[in-house]
Amino acid sequence: KNQVEQSPQSLIILEGKNCTLQCNYTVSPFSNLRWYKQDTGRGPVSLTIMTFSENTKSNGRYTATLDADTKQSSLHITASQLSDSASYICVVSRWNSGNTPLVFGKGTRLSVIA
Amino acid sequence: DVKVTQSSRYLVKRTGEKVFLECVQDMDHENMFWYRQDPGLGLRLIYFSYDVKMKEKGDIPEGYSVSREKKERFSLILESASTNQTSMYLCASSPPSQGCEQYFGPGTRLTVT
Repeated sequence: KNQVEQSPQSLIILEGKNCTLQCNYTVSPFSNLRWYKQDTGRGPVSLTIMTFSENTKSNGRYTATLDADTKQSSLHITASQLSDSASYICVVSRWNSGNTPLVFGKGTRLSVIA
Repeated sequence: DVKVTQSSRYLVKRTGEKVFLECVQDMDHENMFWYRQDPGLGLRLIYFSYDVKMKEKGDIPEGYSVSREKKERFSLILESASTNQTSMYLCASSPPSQGCEQYFGPGTRLTVT
C-alpha cells in the first residue's frame, strides 16, 4: 500500500534551536519527494524537491535529505524562528501512475516559541 | 508568480444547500485538483482534471461533483451539503508533467450547520 508516514505528529521548540522532522514512505514507483510548508489558514507552499539520485537539498535554513534505499527523508530546520511555526507536509510522487500520482503525509505541526 | 485563487476564505452553509467552491489559476496549467484537509487525516484528493471538460475521481469523490468549462477555472460542487463535509478545501494546479509542483490556493474553510 502506498503510504507516507511522518513523525513526530507535533513538536514544540524554543526559538533559535534546531529540529529535524522525519518522513518514511512505502510509495512505488518513486518519482520524487517534496516537503511543503503550510502556515495556519493558508495553502501549502513547496520548500524542496528531491529525485531518486539526490541525497540532500537546501533552501535557506531548511535542509532536506533523502535515503532512497531505506525510503526515508528528513527535514532539518536550523536556528528556528517564530515564523517557522507551521505544518510541514511530506509528499511523494509516483512515477507514471496515471491517476492520483501524489501521496501525502499527514504532516508535522511545529510550534516555535520565544 | 503562480497565483491560485479561491472564491471564499470562509463559508457557512446549511445542511441540504447546494454549495459552489470556485478556483481560478493564472498560469495556464493543464492540471487542477480539489482536496479536503481534516485534522489527523491530512490532504485527501476529491477530484482532479487534466484538461478542459475532463474530470477524474480522486480518493473521496462521494458527495461531490466538479466542473471544468474553462482551462483556468475548476469548480467543486456539493449537491446537498452535509455536516460531515465541514472541512478546509484546497485547490491546486500544476503543469502537465508528472511530479511537477502543485501550487495551492489559500483554501476555503467551509462549515455546514
